[in-house]
Amino acid sequence: GESVGLHLPTLSVQEGDNSIINCAYSNSASDYFIWYKQESGKGPQFIIDIRSNMDKRQGQRVTVLLNKTVKHLSLQIAATQPGDSAVYFCAENMGGNKLVFGAGTILRVKS
Amino acid sequence: DAGVIQSPRHEVTEMGQEVTLRCKPISGHNSLFWYRQTMMRGLELLIYFNNNVPIDDSGMPEDRFSAKMPNASFSTLKIQPSEPRDSAVYFCASSLAQGLNQPQHFGDGTRLSIL
Repeated sequence: GESVGLHLPTLSVQEGDNSIINCAYSNSASDYFIWYKQESGKGPQFIIDIRSNMDKRQGQRVTVLLNKTVKHLSLQIAATQPGDSAVYFCAENMGGNKLVFGAGTILRVKS
Repeated sequence: DAGVIQSPRHEVTEMGQEVTLRCKPISGHNSLFWYRQTMMRGLELLIYFNNNVPIDDSGMPEDRFSAKMPNASFSTLKIQPSEPRDSAVYFCASSLAQGLNQPQHFGDGTRLSIL
């Protein structure tokens, strides 16, 4: 029978290209946002975070952009590698350290 | 440095049985979170603690679910009696103090199968 579940968007990129993963969040009052990476059989792994008083933050090979006007968050990965293949989640802080997670995006890196 | 440690990694049991999941947070972290991940609903917060005190348990699905944090280095999530629809991956996460916008760090989860 057909399985029913969340249908995650998939982004396929060539190794070495840049990846952009997008996320729309729900609460205009959210003041803190996090990107997580989840590999098969493992827990979500913290990548980078950003507070609402910023619109851009850079890490090693990753950049997070925050557009509060349209409630949009993006994660840019430079020079994508096979090891970047995973499910990526954005999360917003709804207050009191309570995170709400997006459904996730599958990133597939082709060699 | 040791991350969040969860046990067991896998649990298979028959419906009606009691299930206890365990978590050791990162040393020094005083917020602890229990999540459930399924294909249908994604990652959902069940309950969280600050300084060993439950703050928000609105995500706990039913009275069959309970969580405790007897001290700063240990927490349990118990399901009694278990049902097949409880099958999921259960994650524990910890972070530094509430209000400081600190990231949560996750364990590798317990994959629970209720037959």
